[in-house]
Amino acid sequence: QVQLQESGPGLVKPSQTLSLTCAVSGYSIRNGDYYWSWIRQPPGRGLEWIGYIYYSGSAYYNPSLKSRLSISVDTSKNQFSLEMTSVTAADTAVYFCARSSTDYGSDSWGQGTGVTVSS
Amino acid sequence: DIVMTQSPDSLAVSLGERATINCKSSQSVLYNNKNYLAWYQKKPGQPPKQLIYWASTRESGVPDRFSGSVSGTDFTLTISSLQAEDVAVYYCQQYYATPLTFGGGTRVEIK
Repeated sequence: QVQLQESGPGLVKPSQTLSLTCAVSGYSIRNGDYYWSWIRQPPGRGLEWIGYIYYSGSAYYNPSLKSRLSISVDTSKNQFSLEMTSVTAADTAVYFCARSSTDYGSDSWGQGTGVTVSS
Repeated sequence: DIVMTQSPDSLAVSLGERATINCKSSQSVLYNNKNYLAWYQKKPGQPPKQLIYWASTRESGVPDRFSGSVSGTDFTLTISSLQAEDVAVYYCQQYYATPLTFGGGTRVEIK
């Protein structure tokens, strides 16, 4: 049974970099059957896909965020990470990591971690 | 980007009655005779739970009162007999092309 767990600071100052990690257990990222996604939900709003990465390191980003994003993968630790630069209050959200298939959608999700951007 | 438009924004349904949620994609998400469209259930404080993929295939363990259908670029999620535990926000998502995009969500409540 795959499990995903997000970790990272809950508070980030404006203009700084948001860094989150998603630890995966019960499934090896190296298997190559899935992409590994980041999705967020701002307070009171809907879901927004941020991007995803394949075990090889190939990453796909939401164009609306691409200039500020970097998603990386560490197969030795079975985890993947998100970095978002120059954050503003608009980046305040619950951030989810998920296992995603190009055939089946996103079938497994982390519990989510809340990030507030505030000075 | 493929725009996903959900309707209604919210609906209130009596227990045991049918709930119908609509989602329209701005372009086809059909490939190899499959629509790359998923439905998720989102409850407060919980992650989204995938209910359906390929527009109409239920995820393992999802009750059969949940069903999905498609007509062209119009998709429907139906809850045939609403239960109290179905109170949630429901989202459609296309995963045909990046950026993956979600509909705005439909809140389902008990009348």
